Amino acid sequence: DAGVTQSPTHLIKTRGQQVTLRCSPKSGHDTVSWYQQALGQGPQFIFQYYEEEERQRGNFPDRFSGHQFPNYSSELNVNALLLGDSALYLCASSVDENTEAFFGQGTRLTVV
Amino acid sequence: EDQVTQSPEALRLQEGESSSLNCSYTVSGLRGLFWYRQDPGKGPEFLFTLYSAGEEKEKERLKATLTKKESFLHITAPKPEDSATYLCAVQEGWDSGNTPLVFGKGTRLSVIA
Repeated sequence: DAGVTQSPTHLIKTRGQQVTLRCSPKSGHDTVSWYQQALGQGPQFIFQYYEEEERQRGNFPDRFSGHQFPNYSSELNVNALLLGDSALYLCASSVDENTEAFFGQGTRLTVV
Repeated sequence: EDQVTQSPEALRLQEGESSSLNCSYTVSGLRGLFWYRQDPGKGPEFLFTLYSAGEEKEKERLKATLTKKESFLHITAPKPEDSATYLCAVQEGWDSGNTPLVFGKGTRLSVIA
């Protein structure tokens, strides 16, 4: 079992650009959640996808958007990047109705 | 007001020196409390889920306990490889489906040989 996989592992972007991050959930998992973790902080919930729809959303602007595909994989898109978007972006997968979430290794995004 | 508060922020132990990490929470209905371990630059690694007051779970040198207001992660005779940040998270609500995890800021543990 490959677990949750994320790509790329590291990314450097310029302010104002757009970025797409990708996540493949753990085998058998149908729910994908995205979190942003700033240095020295706990992860902050961005949004959750289930059955290809955004089910819940945290306190993040519309510049953050996502998608879930029929195979349950997911993308996180961030437009008009700001310096403050620099963080570790984490994807977590779970099985609906089951509370345990498993995380990928994260994508380290640096905005310069 | 933070829903999840972890203390201490950082803890330095000698190898073999047992201690406890604290996670206090304020949610109206606890669906689950989670402990994760996170190594630098990596994603959180799942350790335990606790669902009700009085519940305890163990894994190697770690034991997690839960009361109605807080959880403790006890580390017995730690080794240098236990050095990591330990994150606590709560999941609120009684509805079906996955409500998001709310994390504390973590406790950074260093175990010195």
